[in-house]
Amino acid sequence: KAGVTQTPRYLIKTRGQQVTLSCSPISGHRSVSWYQQTPGQGLQFLFEYFSETQRNKGNFPGRFSGRQFSNSRSEMNVSTLELGDSALYLCASSLPLRLAGALNEQFFGPGTRLTVL
Amino acid sequence: TQLLEQSPQFLSIQEGENLTVYCNSSSVFSSLQWYRQEPGEGPVLLVTVVTGGEVKKLKRLTFQFGDARKDSSLHITAAQPGDTGLYLCAGDTGTASKLTFGTGTRLQVTL
Repeated sequence: KAGVTQTPRYLIKTRGQQVTLSCSPISGHRSVSWYQQTPGQGLQFLFEYFSETQRNKGNFPGRFSGRQFSNSRSEMNVSTLELGDSALYLCASSLPLRLAGALNEQFFGPGTRLTVL
Repeated sequence: TQLLEQSPQFLSIQEGENLTVYCNSSSVFSSLQWYRQEPGEGPVLLVTVVTGGEVKKLKRLTFQFGDARKDSSLHITAAQPGDTGLYLCAGDTGTASKLTFGTGTRLQVTL
């Protein structure tokens, strides 16, 4: 079974630009979560999508948004990029809780390394 | 806001040594997971513990969930260079369907 894939793996942008990151979950996984990882703040939850609906949202500004498509693939968008948005953006997918024994186990992709100059 | 504090933050040991990583919170979790992340990759799930007092072994790794389900520990016996990485604990309250990740412990094992 193929794992979670994320594209692109690396991205360099300048302040003020916007960026779209893509994530394809493991086949059969309908929940997709996004995380931001930085050396200073660690791994922070951005949002979660399930069946094309945002089910949870972390404490990030509205410049961070996402969506999920009917095939469970997800994209996240960051508008008006700031230097502090430089980070590793991780996508994780998981089985519906009723199929996973109610365990919220996340399967992560390799991440997209975003550098904002 | 649930916080998961891990200690130590950094650990540099030689091959063959034993070590323990701690994950502590004031919140109760329905389950707790441990992940390992290597440079340039995403975290990989190692184990999930669910029951207070539960102990799980994965080869040289032993995971324990505290009786009150507020803390956990990871013990590695006879560490090897392949154990090098960032170890993350993550707690699930079971209500919001999102995980709270710990602050991380960066382990380096040298020959």
